[in-house]
Amino acid sequence: GEDVEQSLFLSVREGDSSVINCTYTDSSSTYLYWYKQEPGAGLQLLTYIFSNMDMKQDQRLTVLLNKKDKHLSLRIADTQTGDSAIYFCAESNTGNQFYFGTGTSLTVIP
Amino acid sequence: DAGITQSPRYKITETGRQVTLMCHQTWSHSYMFWYRQDLGHGLRLIYYSAAADITDKGEVSDGYVVSRSKTENFPLTLESATRSQTSVYFCASRGTDGSYEQYFGPGTRLTVT
Repeated sequence: GEDVEQSLFLSVREGDSSVINCTYTDSSSTYLYWYKQEPGAGLQLLTYIFSNMDMKQDQRLTVLLNKKDKHLSLRIADTQTGDSAIYFCAESNTGNQFYFGTGTSLTVIP
Repeated sequence: DAGITQSPRYKITETGRQVTLMCHQTWSHSYMFWYRQDLGHGLRLIYYSAAADITDKGEVSDGYVVSRSKTENFPLTLESATRSQTSVYFCASRGTDGSYEQYFGPGTRLTVT
């Protein structure tokens, strides 16, 4: 299968920006996604970006896509304690097979 | 209730037993998916279904069986459970809009002893 890689842990102070990074191998990815998982819950879609875009902003969230380097990032501005969770990036070409990263555990320190 | 539900939420079974995990969605989404979540692996696709009576294997399908006789239900069966199938299982569904956005159920934590 395709490889999607993320760092496992990130710790930031409340009010700072968080940047979560992801690299992938499938150059034919159509959509790239960021999901959030809170303890004991399923995944919730935060945002997605189409492969012909470089950037997408949605309130406190900014997604950057470098297609040449196959690098995706999620920036969370003014990080709050409620943002503490595991964040997954995922990619899909066909909408049938989705490949997820291992998840980045974000801890926000008050 | 609207949405996607899974049952049971927790299950303990013994090696060699058959166990079925249930998934039900109320959106009439065409596509449904089963994933397993393990530490160090993220989510891996077990099976997906594009419509009733149409299913296809994902990355880690060995040891699992699915069926989809009705659009809203997508049960996952472990025919002879093994300890390596201890995991958290997530069901998801999506419609046919262009973004391929998936909606996830709350998960089933399965322990095989």
